[in-house]
Amino acid sequence: GESVGLHLPTLSVQEGDNSIINCAYSNSASDYFIWYKQESGKGPQFIIDIRSNMDKRQGQRVTVLLNKTVKHLSLQIAATQPGDSAVYFCAENFAGGYQKVTFGTGTKLQVIP
Amino acid sequence: EAGVTQFPSHSVIEKGQTVTLRCDPISGHDNLYWYRRVMGKEIKFLLHFVKESKQDESGMPNNRFLAERTGGTYSTLKVQPAELEDSGVYFCASSRTGGTAPLHFGNGTRLTVT
Repeated sequence: GESVGLHLPTLSVQEGDNSIINCAYSNSASDYFIWYKQESGKGPQFIIDIRSNMDKRQGQRVTVLLNKTVKHLSLQIAATQPGDSAVYFCAENFAGGYQKVTFGTGTKLQVIP
Repeated sequence: EAGVTQFPSHSVIEKGQTVTLRCDPISGHDNLYWYRRVMGKEIKFLLHFVKESKQDESGMPNNRFLAERTGGTYSTLKVQPAELEDSGVYFCASSRTGGTAPLHFGNGTRLTVT
């Protein structure tokens, strides 16, 4: 698959449990953060975003938490389903600019049926 | 709406050959981006077009890479001559105007240089 050669941290979660994926970002000046989901053979897909003036944002079954003090992002997925199995990337950017996004290394989420 | 489409999905070429990747963005998206992931690395920004104009090509690794977007519609990324370290997955993405407009990615072109 596309991740061959890239040793990703892996999170294994039982179906129905909640998942928490963590990410440390690098640039303290970044003010816009995004989570992407990448399934095998596909490109990254936007899940949810958050601006730096917020510390929490909720979507459908997903919640993003932002801690600017320690430059940490997390993605929480409620009631994890087999279709959630994918690689998840956090990304950082500047809201006033264009989408020159800096991606993290990614976390592979494996959902155990 | 139709998504971002990339062609080919896979390409295997020998070192020294030329390869041209194509990207068709979502209709109406003025912004077009190229990103790539080479082996063992993160997805990295290559360049950004607004319509037919290059706005930022700071991520292009060297002058063996040439991107064009004639007419502000589809874009091509040519690698000439290809080197082994160019192997990876090349993603194209498009977006509407605005710093928080979501990126819509294509499925990528997997390039293997042997």
